[in-house]
Amino acid sequence: DAMVIQNPRYQVTQFGKPVTLSCSQTLNHNVMYWYQQKSSQAPKLLFHYYDKDFNNEADTPDNFQSRRPNTSFCFLDIRSPGLGDAAMYLCATSRVAGLAATKVADTQYFGPGTRLTVL
Amino acid sequence: QKEVEQNSGPLSVPEGAIASLNCTYSDRGSQSFFWYRQYSGKSPELIMFIYSNGDKEDGRFTAQLNKASQYVSLLIRDSQPSDSATYLCAVPSAGGSYIPTFGRGTSLIVHP
Repeated sequence: DAMVIQNPRYQVTQFGKPVTLSCSQTLNHNVMYWYQQKSSQAPKLLFHYYDKDFNNEADTPDNFQSRRPNTSFCFLDIRSPGLGDAAMYLCATSRVAGLAATKVADTQYFGPGTRLTVL
Repeated sequence: QKEVEQNSGPLSVPEGAIASLNCTYSDRGSQSFFWYRQYSGKSPELIMFIYSNGDKEDGRFTAQLNKASQYVSLLIRDSQPSDSATYLCAVPSAGGSYIPTFGRGTSLIVHP
């Protein structure tokens, strides 16, 4: 049974036309991540939610936004996609426990990804 | 800057051989280490994790950790063509950071 689901699997958009990618999970994990991965590169973390707390990576462009309306769902909004935003977008979840200074992450579970094409 | 280094390859081995994949990391305090397999066009899939120095075996896979030398390796015994994929090493930082840093991955090709 799928535990991390991403929709759509393939998204084609036009330059500058906003898109929203969705991720849902049945694991009840408290952390959800969004990664961007381009060909032959490591996944690049864009941001993550620890419960309701949003954590943006310093080099994530303002063009990328995220929403987490509840534990199960998380959305990635690309306000004005450029050609350079064409990539695989990966959602992942994990369970993080412990006090602030000693948080330990359990395994990350990845969704199947959304392949974004920008025309 | 936390770094996780992997040789991008490709590493080519014949079917039935042992494939050895290596990963070095810069954060000496890192406590946990993950290996993911990623087929072309697919998302990463966890295959091994290791927390303690030494070896951890799971089927044909063995993870080896040496914290003193700051490297973690993955051995795949009896390699099969279906093992052909990119293998990503992921290392969460020490000091309460639960965010893993990924290496760029090593491409493995197992030829019949």
